[in-house]
Amino acid sequence: GEDVEQSLFLSVREGDSSVINCTYTDSSSTYLYWYKQEPGAGLQLLTYIFSNMDMKQDQRLTVLLNKKDKHLSLRIADTQTGDSAIYFCAEKGQAGTALIFGKGTTLSVSS
Amino acid sequence: ETGVTQTPRHLVMGMTNKKSLKCEQHLGHNAMYWYKQSAKKPLELMFVYNFKEQTENNSVPSRFSPECPNSSHLFLHLHTLQPEDSALYLCASSQDHLAGVNTGELFFGEGSRLTVL
Repeated sequence: GEDVEQSLFLSVREGDSSVINCTYTDSSSTYLYWYKQEPGAGLQLLTYIFSNMDMKQDQRLTVLLNKKDKHLSLRIADTQTGDSAIYFCAEKGQAGTALIFGKGTTLSVSS
Repeated sequence: ETGVTQTPRHLVMGMTNKKSLKCEQHLGHNAMYWYKQSAKKPLELMFVYNFKEQTENNSVPSRFSPECPNSSHLFLHLHTLQPEDSALYLCASSQDHLAGVNTGELFFGEGSRLTVL
């Protein structure tokens, strides 16, 4: 079956880079996503990457996709305390299938 | 503001109560979803509606009953719940669940925190 795995916790210091990793099993994934959930809020889309790309950069965010290894990563440069949140990796398969989410990685940023 | 509004934000109910969660989206989307979020577990897809028709029911117990009267509104009717049903229930919408041409991006509400005593 489809599965998305991520580590549960990451702790970094303010100003450092954060790298959150994700692995998935569905080789037919068309899009892969990173969502952010702040305390008491729903999930908000941070960025997404189409499966025929291997990198996408958006300001402080860099997404790397290794389709062969089914590995997705999110790098946050110059991490700030406001980046503290839960980050969810998700994949979308073929048309007509709903997004599959991982358990979320809690990022804790200390000053 | 994501354009998806959920009420109530918090709900406490006994196992014999009947209550409903409401979701409304103002984005002109055609697909709506219920997800369950429990601690240390992946987000669990419960139901999907596309153009008011239910297209997915992810083996959800019958004590959860969804209703989608139109593309903008989605309800989750709750009755005789168990304490293990306590969780954050998230509603989401997307442009069209079945079309392959769009990115499939989901827009989430802030969730309804449910506690079953």
